[in-house]
Amino acid sequence: GQQLNQSPQSMFIQEGEDVSMNCTSSSIFNTWLWYKQDPGEGPVLLIALYKAGELTSNGRLTAQFGITRKDSFLNISASIPSDVGIYFCAGLAGGTSYGKLTFGQGTILTVHP
Amino acid sequence: DTAVSQTPKYLVTQMGNDKSIKCEQNLGHDTMYWYKQDSKKFLKIMFSYNNKELIINETVPNRFSPKSPDKAHLNLHINSLELGDSAVYFCASVAGGLGSNEQFFGPGTRLTVL
Repeated sequence: GQQLNQSPQSMFIQEGEDVSMNCTSSSIFNTWLWYKQDPGEGPVLLIALYKAGELTSNGRLTAQFGITRKDSFLNISASIPSDVGIYFCAGLAGGTSYGKLTFGQGTILTVHP
Repeated sequence: DTAVSQTPKYLVTQMGNDKSIKCEQNLGHDTMYWYKQDSKKFLKIMFSYNNKELIINETVPNRFSPKSPDKAHLNLHINSLELGDSAVYFCASVAGGLGSNEQFFGPGTRLTVL
């Protein structure tokens, strides 16, 4: 089946630093989504990407849909303590909106004040 | 207002029991999902329903039976619970059709099988 490789697995950074994480796949995806999960909660959608090459921002977050359709990255600028959590990439291969999301393994982000 | 809600939040039970988890969404979405998150935080889809019809079944053991009484509800019944069923189960929904692909998740149900 399809697999997404997300890296890094974990990051320990100081408040104020910028963060970058990425996902790669051996197969093509038509949609890339980035989610954040806080402890004891469900994943919350941060950014959705629909076109190859698309660069989208949401506040301090910026994500890009790779031109090959096989990768995506998420950047967080000027990190703050509340950025702590697990970040997941997810890809949707099919054109239908009720297709199957494939998730990356997650990146655990720790921000030291 | 809660968009996607699940009950219960926590469920602790003995091996061999039968239990149900309920999910409701008030977003007017057509499609709903069940995901399982294991101890390593990996999220994997189990089922998907579109307008009360099953459209995705990811080779989940038949001890797991989803039921959708209407498009706003998707419940998950689990028979003969096993230790390996311990996980966090998430419900999610999406608008469907040619609209958004963005899935919205519930808060999760942490199932512990003893």
